[in-house]
Amino acid sequence: TQLLEQSPQFLSIQEGENLTVYCNSSSVFSSLQWYRQEPGEGPVLLVTVVTGGEVKKLKRLTFQFGDARKDSSLHITAAQPGDTGLYLCAGAFNDYKLSFGAGTTVTVRA
Amino acid sequence: DTGVSQDPRHKITKRGQNVTFRCDPISEHNRLYWYRQTLGQGPEFLTYFQNEAQLEKSRLLSDRFSAERPKGSFSTLEIQRTEQGDSAMYLCASSSALGPINYGYTFGSGTRLTVV
Repeated sequence: TQLLEQSPQFLSIQEGENLTVYCNSSSVFSSLQWYRQEPGEGPVLLVTVVTGGEVKKLKRLTFQFGDARKDSSLHITAAQPGDTGLYLCAGAFNDYKLSFGAGTTVTVRA
Repeated sequence: DTGVSQDPRHKITKRGQNVTFRCDPISEHNRLYWYRQTLGQGPEFLTYFQNEAQLEKSRLLSDRFSAERPKGSFSTLEIQRTEQGDSAMYLCASSSALGPINYGYTFGSGTRLTVV
């Protein structure tokens, strides 16, 4: 059983559409990270959020950390085929170990 | 810096054989981690080193698994008497200790193990 539940599991959209991926837990985290992983490669860190209610933007990606630091969302505006990949959220209880969700596979069709 | 390097990228082995994987972290990073990822799942924590000291091992790491980081630089993960259930992607990551907050890791490209 994974501590972090991600939804949806799969998402397929047309280029130019918006999408949101959710990451939920009953646990409180000291920080939460989002990674993107491509087939056959390791995850690549996109962002770390630390403060409850925090919002961070990375070009067309917007990340939000819930007020209670138990959940997070990732919103992509005007998705492009290059956004295709497995999006993983990871929560930290301490300064070294991460607990990952199972991931959301995003496919953006041209 | 070339990032975190893992070798080999792929390994096919027969059940019962021993395998060893190597990880070279980012040189400035004093922390090194091993995770395992199976299809359709996120990475699962296996073990963690700070410098040369192995500070935590997951219960996932049976006595067939051993990891070392002899000089606080590169690390090796050995699996003895491999089983089909060991088939997975083995990911190495590194980071620096930056106080009480975990700001994330840099992962390597992983070693894909297939046990036949």
